[in-house]
Amino acid sequence: GDSVTQMEGPVTLSEEAFLTINCTYTATGYPSLFWYVQYPGEGLQLLLKATKADDKGSNKGFEATYRKETTSFHLEKGSVQVSDSAVYFCALYNQGGKLIFGQGTELSVKP
Amino acid sequence: NAGVTQTPKFQVLKTGQSMTLQCAQDMNHEYMSWYRQDPGMGLRLIHYSVGAGITDQGEVPNGYNVSRSTTEDFPLRLLSAAPSQTSVYFCASSYSWEGGYGYTFGSGTRLTVV
Repeated sequence: GDSVTQMEGPVTLSEEAFLTINCTYTATGYPSLFWYVQYPGEGLQLLLKATKADDKGSNKGFEATYRKETTSFHLEKGSVQVSDSAVYFCALYNQGGKLIFGQGTELSVKP
Repeated sequence: NAGVTQTPKFQVLKTGQSMTLQCAQDMNHEYMSWYRQDPGMGLRLIHYSVGAGITDQGEVPNGYNVSRSTTEDFPLRLLSAAPSQTSVYFCASSYSWEGGYGYTFGSGTRLTVV
């Protein structure tokens, strides 16, 4: 069945460091791919999305490119801030009405 | 525009008790779903609905019931609570089940079963 695998956390970075959170997926067909963010004590918020191969989703300085050849959707940010500290979830949507999540990666940014 | 509203925010149950977690959305979304979030396991789908009167099971449906009598509401019922159901529960909705739109999540219900 369809699945999503994320790099394990927690990830700890200093402010202004470069961020990469790896995400790979297994799916039949052409899924839509998403990154969600969960700030402490809150629900999940959609961060960015891509619906077809080679699309680049971007929002709030974060970017991710849908790579069908490597089945990946890695999240990147050039310069992280303390306010980016959160848990990040990669997810895919395929046919059948189900959004499938990775296990989440906790990011902690230190001043 | 309230989005997706979940109640209660916190609940403690004794083993064997039953309860209903409420979820309501005011965006006229067709699709609604329930997830549970457990440490190291991400979010797992419990039940989902593609429209009023239509529900289906997700990955971890045992011990939970749902119904969808209106577009707005999608309650989750715990029939006989067990400690294994201690978790954070999230309700989500989407304009269409046909993907690509992204989901709107509620703020969650933290449930502890003792």
